[in-house]
Amino acid sequence: EVQLVESGGGLVQPGGSLRLSCAASGFTFSSYEMNWVRQAPGKGLEWVSYISNSGNTLYHADSVRGRFTISRDNAKNSLYLQMNSLRAEDTAVYYCARVGEGYSYFDLWGQGTLVTVSS
Amino acid sequence: QSALTQPASVSGSPGQSISISCTGTSSDVGGYNFVSWYQQHPGKAPKLMIYDVTNRPSGVSNRFSGSKSGNTASLTISGLQAEDESNYYCSSYTSSSTWVFGGGTKLTVL
Repeated sequence: EVQLVESGGGLVQPGGSLRLSCAASGFTFSSYEMNWVRQAPGKGLEWVSYISNSGNTLYHADSVRGRFTISRDNAKNSLYLQMNSLRAEDTAVYYCARVGEGYSYFDLWGQGTLVTVSS
Repeated sequence: QSALTQPASVSGSPGQSISISCTGTSSDVGGYNFVSWYQQHPGKAPKLMIYDVTNRPSGVSNRFSGSKSGNTASLTISGLQAEDESNYYCSSYTSSSTWVFGGGTKLTVL
């Protein structure tokens, strides 16, 4: 089955760190560009980070640049998001999302993992 | 990058047609034919409904269609059904090689 499964979410104090993982299966992970998209409680979707299929090109939203880092391990079919200096406003469900073959849209999403930043 | 502008809510009766607008700028919606639409039921992951302005992925009903004029894209749902009640988000690729989403529209089927 083609799927993405996120893990690693949880409760963390402001200023803390967390590493999210996304396990891909059912497709050739190394052929696809990947992203992280988040959704704060009761709010809309917000694009967070992008990584090319090789891992050589990275982009991050202004809201997380310098604090979050996206990475991947194609040998392990896994995507990661290292989140440092977490703030209350980073509280959200984090989704990993695959870029479709047209390179402009997200055709496969995980079920999401909740990150709560609170003291 | 500012979020794309969508109406907060729209509604329609079963069998009717509705449209949801998505307004951006020449740096995103108006500059590329890379607008996509997602359906998201509460507590679920988003689902791709339209990509590259007008294209439907396999398995998506042909009651869903997309269009664009200038800096505004639109999603039209014809023959409304109760199962269409959901939240809908537009998205566009941008000139910064990033993506931007709309604020979301809650569709109510009366």
